[in-house]
Amino acid sequence: DIQMTQSPSSLSASVGDRVTITCRATQSISSFLNWYQQKPGKAPKLLIYAASSLQSGVPSRFSGSGSGTDFTLTISSLQPEDFATYYCQRSFGTPPLYTFGQGTKLEIK
Amino acid sequence: QVQLVQSGAEVKKPGASVKVSCKASGYTFTSYGIIWVRQAPREGLEWMGRISVYNGNTNYAQNLQGRVTMTTDTSTNTVYMELRRLRSDDTAVYYCARELPLLYSSLQEDYYYGMDVWGQGTTVTVSS
Repeated sequence: DIQMTQSPSSLSASVGDRVTITCRATQSISSFLNWYQQKPGKAPKLLIYAASSLQSGVPSRFSGSGSGTDFTLTISSLQPEDFATYYCQRSFGTPPLYTFGQGTKLEIK
Repeated sequence: QVQLVQSGAEVKKPGASVKVSCKASGYTFTSYGIIWVRQAPREGLEWMGRISVYNGNTNYAQNLQGRVTMTTDTSTNTVYMELRRLRSDDTAVYYCARELPLLYSSLQEDYYYGMDVWGQGTTVTVSS
């Protein structure tokens, strides 16, 4: 089964910083990769789908890239509301299986 | 508006079963699949499985095969997730989410799916 690994597991940054989170799949998943943001006590929110497509309503400071096995989520200029936990998710296969990475907790420095 | 509303919190004893409901509104219920995700306390997201509301086809995470069943009731626009033989490590918040086809890949001849609408979560506590 394809596993998803994120790095780092946690990250401290300041408002205005540029931040990159990495997700790696154990086998190629083409561009079938989503990114979610989750705040404490809330359901996840879809940010990026198909590795690099921005979900409607998501600020343009969020971007995604990659294909095959290596993917990144970048936040160009951190805002206070961006401090949360981020998850990657594969959406590959017929039917698709939706395994998540273990998460990256983004904290205020 | 599009929403998924889940049933309330449950407290169960080890070995019992729990059935969580997810009622959809604001869209054509049979047009989209539903996935279930759970999150143990202070842990990450775990995908449990998916159900095609259109035809009832299901796919479950390997570690839950044999203990989980997902069903639909199209007369009430509701999806159910039943988990049997509960253990203490099944204590978690359980979420349903809509599986939305967002983009078609002509190269892969397949859709890119994402979970765009989520239920509010149902806390299931397993304790003796």
